[in-house]
Amino acid sequence: QQQVKQSPQSLIVQKGGISIINCAYENTAFDYFPWYQQFPGKGPALLIAIRPDVSEKKEGRFTISFNKSAKQFSLHIMDSQPGDSATYFCAASIYGKLTFGQGTILTVHP
Amino acid sequence: NAGVTQTPKFQVLKTGQSMTLQCAQDMNHEYMSWYRQDPGMGLRLIHYSVGAGITDQGEVPNGYNVSRSTTEDFPLRLLSAAPSQTSVYFCASSYDRAPTNEKLFFGSGTQLSVL
Repeated sequence: QQQVKQSPQSLIVQKGGISIINCAYENTAFDYFPWYQQFPGKGPALLIAIRPDVSEKKEGRFTISFNKSAKQFSLHIMDSQPGDSATYFCAASIYGKLTFGQGTILTVHP
Repeated sequence: NAGVTQTPKFQVLKTGQSMTLQCAQDMNHEYMSWYRQDPGMGLRLIHYSVGAGITDQGEVPNGYNVSRSTTEDFPLRLLSAAPSQTSVYFCASSYDRAPTNEKLFFGSGTQLSVL
């Protein structure tokens, strides 16, 4: 199966809080797991990505946690800022084809 | 560099009309693709190309045609528009061919309404 399930559908966080978005997949052949960020009226842009041979990757305030045995991965945004308000998509890749999750609309209140 | 350029930004069609969504990239990327974005469904791959003269179907190809005569351009054709094709369409490109496809660069999208 190629499905990637993402939750929650929407998330509201106060400024300075931690935002957590979760994704689960079925196909163990997926070999690349990126997160994309999309602002209104714009196309998605790559935010951070991980391969299944590592359990965590951190870039600034953004961290991916990857649990291979559970077939789950998550995005953590530390010290969330109003400028982080956007739609976030997880994705999984096999043979170069990306399958995207359903998206999470994140709102960070000042 | 302009990156990935999509035209038009907005389009309204009547059922049964045909049209072409344009996509051009100036990054000399081998890989180009078309996605549609619908609320609650994420982005779904319509067609993709790993180089000039090579195209293949994605997850939701029915009702759409593509061709890749040059590295730069990858137009998407709607043969006979249907209300179910109302969506936001994104073109994306990548330096890498399959299988890594590590970073997609997206255009700003075309919002299409079919009445």
